[in-house]
Amino acid sequence: SAVISQKPSRDICQRGTSLTIQCQVDSQVTMMFWYRQQPGQSLTLIATANQGSEATYESGFVIDKFPISRPNLTFSTLTVSNMSPEDSSIYLCSVDRGGTDTQYFGPGTRLTVL
Amino acid sequence: EDQVTQSPEALRLQEGESSSLNCSYTVSGLRGLFWYRQDPGKGPEFLFTLYSAGEEKEKERLKATLTKKESFLHITAPKPEDSATYLCAVHDQTGANNLFFGTGTRLTVIP
Repeated sequence: SAVISQKPSRDICQRGTSLTIQCQVDSQVTMMFWYRQQPGQSLTLIATANQGSEATYESGFVIDKFPISRPNLTFSTLTVSNMSPEDSSIYLCSVDRGGTDTQYFGPGTRLTVL
Repeated sequence: EDQVTQSPEALRLQEGESSSLNCSYTVSGLRGLFWYRQDPGKGPEFLFTLYSAGEEKEKERLKATLTKKESFLHITAPKPEDSATYLCAVHDQTGANNLFFGTGTRLTVIP
């Protein structure tokens, strides 16, 4: 498995502002993923972040709204930009250890936008 | 497009009352089926990976099975601490890396 931490664990933000969420892993991993879990719904992939390359975004998600950084093999950030109440969700990062296809998840960041 | 349907949406069991959760899937070539447990306010916790029909995995009171169309998570003699939402996800063979999740079964075990 992997030890994954996220900061902040929760936040309440005003409409129109931006929030950057950090994801730290205890060992080097090739692939990191960012998911969104809206209230009462399941997880939806936002993007895949590989170190040294641009993130790959899923349909319905764009870089201007959800810019991602992946400066090294143990860290990534997701920014939620120009927030609206519809962005209120739990944001989760996950990692794939490589060769197993199994993803391990962080504890999540609960975001509320007023 | 991949589809994952979990049933029931919610399940209440008495402590010790065994039952099964269902995950039906449609994918363009199954690369893996995953079961996760999610407690309120926490990220999903990995339970099992199943790769081919007929495969079974066990962990304590949980047993996961896989056919070509569905997977079952059997819970034997559940305890209150087994209360959680159980998520099923699939990984297909298209080359994409993401997991496609179902909406989960919310399990409550009553003492």
